[in-house]
Amino acid sequence: DAKTTQPTSMDCAEGRAANLPCNHSTISGNEYVYWYRQIHSQGPQYIIHGLKNNETNEMASLIITEDRKSSTLILPHATLRDTAVYYCIVRAPTSGSARQLTFGSGTQLTVLP
Amino acid sequence: KAGVTQTPRYLIKTRGQQVTLSCSPISGHRSVSWYQQTPGQGLQFLFEYFSETQRNKGNFPGRFSGRQFSNSRSEMNVSTLELGDSALYLCASAAGGIFDYNEQFFGPGTRLTVL
Repeated sequence: DAKTTQPTSMDCAEGRAANLPCNHSTISGNEYVYWYRQIHSQGPQYIIHGLKNNETNEMASLIITEDRKSSTLILPHATLRDTAVYYCIVRAPTSGSARQLTFGSGTQLTVLP
Repeated sequence: KAGVTQTPRYLIKTRGQQVTLSCSPISGHRSVSWYQQTPGQGLQFLFEYFSETQRNKGNFPGRFSGRQFSNSRSEMNVSTLELGDSALYLCASAAGGIFDYNEQFFGPGTRLTVL
């Protein structure tokens, strides 16, 4: 799996957009970018994933650069409940085989009132 | 539909004892993975079961084992507990089909404390 680099921590004002960057310069052509988050003392929660096109769901948007070497997770209107550690993971789809996820250190996002 | 459930939520054991943790995946999901989370090592993959077979294993000693039943429920066992086994143990379920893109659903975890 390709290595990812994320800032250790970020702050965001409540109601503003939170933009969380992730570098994955060694990503392979068949590897997807996944984002999970973990609110304190809870299990990680899947947010979104993408290959090369920008993706949006009810939780967030994922912007992947054209060269796919970096991406940004966008929480459009951050709330206090979005305070969590956000993990960017690069992995090829499993196609029925093993599903191991390799979590890095992630970014601690703190949403400030 | 109901999420992933793990029991017990909290557990206190002493060194040398063994422990069994249980995980019930989302209905219809056939893949169950286990992870260990500690402050020092972060989230680390233990193993994955699919259709009662262990399909992948992380870098943990043989004291850590697991199994999956025909209803997809899974258990993990840790024998001869050590202080360093104190951690949050997380279970994740996934559909496990051909077009499974790694969307895994995690349970709340079992907090194990070894004294």
